[in-house]
Amino acid sequence: EPEVTQTPSHQVTQMGQEVILRCVPISNHLYFYWYRQILGQKVEFLVSFYNNEISEKSEIFDDQFSVERPDGSNFTLKIRSTKLEDSAMYFCASSERVVAYTDTQYFGPGTRLTVL
Amino acid sequence: DAKTTQPPSMDCAEGRAANLPCNHSTISGNEYVYWYRQIHSQGPQYIIHGLKNNETNEMASLIITEDRKSSTLILPHATLRDTAVYYCIHRIQGGSEKLVFGKGTKLTVNP
Repeated sequence: EPEVTQTPSHQVTQMGQEVILRCVPISNHLYFYWYRQILGQKVEFLVSFYNNEISEKSEIFDDQFSVERPDGSNFTLKIRSTKLEDSAMYFCASSERVVAYTDTQYFGPGTRLTVL
Repeated sequence: DAKTTQPPSMDCAEGRAANLPCNHSTISGNEYVYWYRQIHSQGPQYIIHGLKNNETNEMASLIITEDRKSSTLILPHATLRDTAVYYCIHRIQGGSEKLVFGKGTKLTVNP
């Protein structure tokens, strides 16, 4: 069964450093998403991406964040200068979006980001 | 954001049916009800979704009331591996693509 994969599973970085989190969405999916979950808190939407453009983003997704689809298979989330409060699980998701509002988003296993 | 209400926790005996309720009194006519679950800190896992009619798949059944103000997710024969946080979500009308996760229901399946 196709699945979303994410690398690395755990990333440790120093405050102020740049990190890139990688995701390989399900191959025939066209819509891609990033969510995050701070320990003990809710899963929060960050951004959605379609046709090489951001289609929606949340207030959390400020100028420190960027997303990119550098090739036909990868989807990345970059945090330019990490802060302590960026420590969280980051989940990538993808969907086929055959019909609006009824698409199903499938999530990857997540990357645990720890900022020291 | 559209809001759903779920009990914070429930217990179920292994092998018995787990019935997880969700209230969504503000749901609009074109909004679907989605259920996801999250086992420990893993990525949310899609379970099932529906609009008006009851739905069933290999994982669960979804019962939606006629007025659509509430629904129940049924796991027919719960196993220990079904212990997870279960989220009831409805898609926000107007084109928003995001899934809005609440706190969900922590289901504990006991041996």
